[in-house]
Amino acid sequence: GAVVSQHPSWVICKSGTSVKIECRSLDFQATTMFWYRQFPKQSLMLMATSNEGSKATYEQGVEKDKFLINHASLTLSTLTVTSAHPEDSSFYICSARGGERGTGELFFGEGSRLTVL
Amino acid sequence: KQEVTQIPAALSVPEGENLVLNCSFTDSAIYNLQWFRQDPGKGLTSLLLIQSSQREQTSGRLNASLDKSSGRSTLYIAASQPGDSATYLCAVITGANSKLTFGKGITLSVRP
Repeated sequence: GAVVSQHPSWVICKSGTSVKIECRSLDFQATTMFWYRQFPKQSLMLMATSNEGSKATYEQGVEKDKFLINHASLTLSTLTVTSAHPEDSSFYICSARGGERGTGELFFGEGSRLTVL
Repeated sequence: KQEVTQIPAALSVPEGENLVLNCSFTDSAIYNLQWFRQDPGKGLTSLLLIQSSQREQTSGRLNASLDKSSGRSTLYIAASQPGDSATYLCAVITGANSKLTFGKGITLSVRP
């Protein structure tokens, strides 16, 4: 299947700093990528839809200025957690549509674990 | 609003057992349904994708079925192995470019 790569896989930062997470589609082009957040033993919560060349679409309750999303190319979307606080500590996962055209199949990255001290 | 339910939340079986994981959804107007596997601390691995026009898909020891009219899908795992221990999530979309709606997952433990 299609491959989606995330980097870094884990990061620890101090409160107040900003952290950038990259999501790349390695063997296909993705006009749309999705960013999720997952708390321990919970399912994935969609944060936003990242659209190549345009603004991201955020889900209700997700702060746009807190979670900056940039989708500058067909293979790269970035999520920047600005002025991170301990409550932002979570597992962040991206996904992209790949595979056979029109199937709508989604492939996921390995996730990035953020810990804010 | 689409809702996806997976019951039970956790399951423990002895090695070698055949098992069925259930998934139900409230809106039968789906485009496709995907089953994923998630290992602790990892991302999601796509296992099987069933298009709305299909009844089932098979990959190795895995078989997924879809009954749109009743809003149900099952993931059948044959001859379970300890390596199958993981959380299994099902998710549906209503259009080719729409968002996934996930169930909460079933955490499977296969005992040696």
